[in-house]
Amino acid sequence: AQTVTQSQPEMSVQEAETVTLSCTYDTSESNYYLFWYKQPPSRQMILVIRQEAYKQQNATENRFSVNFQKAAKSFSLKISDSQLGDTAMYFCAFMPVQGAQKLVFGQGTRLTINP
Amino acid sequence: NAGVTQTPKFRILKIGQSMTLQCAQDMNHNYMYWYRQDPGMGLKLIYYSVGAGITDKGEVPNGYNVSRSTTEDFPLRLELAAPSQTSVYFCASNQLAGGPSVSYNEQFFGPGTRLTVL
Repeated sequence: AQTVTQSQPEMSVQEAETVTLSCTYDTSESNYYLFWYKQPPSRQMILVIRQEAYKQQNATENRFSVNFQKAAKSFSLKISDSQLGDTAMYFCAFMPVQGAQKLVFGQGTRLTINP
Repeated sequence: NAGVTQTPKFRILKIGQSMTLQCAQDMNHNYMYWYRQDPGMGLKLIYYSVGAGITDKGEVPNGYNVSRSTTEDFPLRLELAAPSQTSVYFCASNQLAGGPSVSYNEQFFGPGTRLTVL
């Protein structure tokens, strides 16, 4: 069974700063996807970024980038030039490529961006 | 497209009552899922379906039932509500790998149903 661990329950930074959220996972699968989801107070689940395990290049989406270390089973999210609208819960998630593509989520990190 | 829709948005149940949470998607996705999110926690999979007529258990299926008679709908049934089922319930869907959608691995989530059992 796969597990996803987010060791930072809460983080807080000033607007415009850079912040990194940590995630580790455990799996015996060789091919999988990793995701970061954002959940604002509206509770809508919003996909932030996706990484395919077979790709060595780290994914980037505008101000969001990841540091994917496959051997260490680590998948951190970096938010550059943070904005007030980035305030939300952030969830790391794992999905095996084979089978029913069930998502396994971490416990979440509550990120607050202060003005 | 409306995407994934869920009804109701909020519901309060008494212990022992039953109810059905509705989920529908208009993207012709084969896969559909039900997750629950307890306060301060991540989502956990309750049940999923890989197509009409096919369902299977996830990580936390006890106390729930599902059916998938059409591609569009995937209702979740609570038969005897218990306080431990107080949670936010999310329905999601995605396209079978290899389908025409560009982002075929992305799961699209509904807005959630907040359920309180007293």
